[in-house]
Amino acid sequence: GAVVSQHPSRVICKSGTSVKIECRSLDFQATTMFWYRQFPKKSLMLMATSNEGSKATYEQGVEKDKFLINHASLTLSTLTVTSAHPEDSSFYICSASRLAGGHNEQFFGPGTRLTVL
Amino acid sequence: DAKTTQPPSMDCAEGRAANLPCNHSTISGNEYVYWYRQIHSQGPQYIIHGLKNNETNEMASLIITEDRKSSTLILPHATLRDTAVYYCIVRGYNTDKLIFGTGTRLQVFP
Repeated sequence: GAVVSQHPSRVICKSGTSVKIECRSLDFQATTMFWYRQFPKKSLMLMATSNEGSKATYEQGVEKDKFLINHASLTLSTLTVTSAHPEDSSFYICSASRLAGGHNEQFFGPGTRLTVL
Repeated sequence: DAKTTQPPSMDCAEGRAANLPCNHSTISGNEYVYWYRQIHSQGPQYIIHGLKNNETNEMASLIITEDRKSSTLILPHATLRDTAVYYCIVRGYNTDKLIFGTGTRLQVFP
């Protein structure tokens, strides 16, 4: 159990277009989901915390108008990269939080590799 | 959240124990130590966590010093599939947020 999927796994887009990435918890309900980005050979950087039915909480330095997050249901959160530019090319990873063994454990998706031309 | 310090890289022979250290000298009383690993181009995978007692599961053991200022993740019999970046993270009791540091890149060789 506790599987998190992401779609698409890879996407290539032209500069100036918007890209939507979906994160789904397949076998559990997640009131909280998280979005990270990771540049090559770097660590994961938390972008935002997504709570079902409310506005996302963004980390310092992350533009909320650039990275739109919607958490419409307990199993789905989406990240839309608006007006993408080459510097937005990165590996985007989501996670979903679930109570397991007495603590809230984060289960991570497989990631989405975005390339902006 | 408390900051952690890990060596950037380590090697381990297949079949031997891999001992990955982590310093978290500023950890506070209600913060947990979590370990995740990330195999190349995949999402991170939970390994183990603990507060002050040593913990063991099917993947690894976690040894936390008595003063809680450091810990060691032990993979008892490393395999080639354990090659990954291992992240030690200190997480507050009242938060779900995970702040990743730079981790340790473990290379298991035949």
